[in-house]
Amino acid sequence: EMQLLESGGGLVQPGGSLRLSCAASGFTFSSNAMSWVRQAPGKGLEWVSGISSSGGTTYYADSVKGRFTVSRDNSRDTLYLLMDSLRAEDTAVYYCAKRGDSPDYWGQGTLVTVSS
Amino acid sequence: DIQMTQSPSSLSASVGDRVTITCRASQDIGNYLAWFQQKPGKAPESLIYAASSLRSGVPSRFSGSGSGTDFTLTISSLQPEDSAGYYCQQYYTYPRTFGQGTKVEIK
Repeated sequence: EMQLLESGGGLVQPGGSLRLSCAASGFTFSSNAMSWVRQAPGKGLEWVSGISSSGGTTYYADSVKGRFTVSRDNSRDTLYLLMDSLRAEDTAVYYCAKRGDSPDYWGQGTLVTVSS
Repeated sequence: DIQMTQSPSSLSASVGDRVTITCRASQDIGNYLAWFQQKPGKAPESLIYAASSLRSGVPSRFSGSGSGTDFTLTISSLQPEDSAGYYCQQYYTYPRTFGQGTKVEIK
């Protein structure tokens, strides 16, 4: 059974950092591009970042470019999102999703709250 | 960036009704369009990709159409379990962008 399990969310002060992880199972992780998508409380979906299957190519939304870094470890079947210089507007549930084009499977999400 | 505009933002319909949601792209995206369903407190689920291809396991009452800049998601006979938010997303180019969402309620 396919599974994506996000972790690493929590409460962080403005300007702080957090690293999210997404552990994948049930499919060939190394063959799939991956995505991060977030959803602020009561708001719609916002694409955040994407990464190629090898990890050699990465993409970012303008709102996070220069502050967030996506990476992956194909030996551990794990996707990461390192978030620096966090702002109140980064408060959201962060989802990882399988595929970089049209995601066909999503994790359950992890909540990041940026507040003092 | 490509802007995706959905309409309506919300609708209320009765069980058995035919429901249509539209999504318009700010430029030609071919058929690089996906639709997602999200129920409250849950992760999104993929319904349709390539504008009109139904994901495995998705009920056949869901269908998608369109190409270029104008797309539609149709629910042919609305069911109680279809009460949810619906989002379109373009994957023609980066950054990927979503529509603002449509909330579907059952009367």
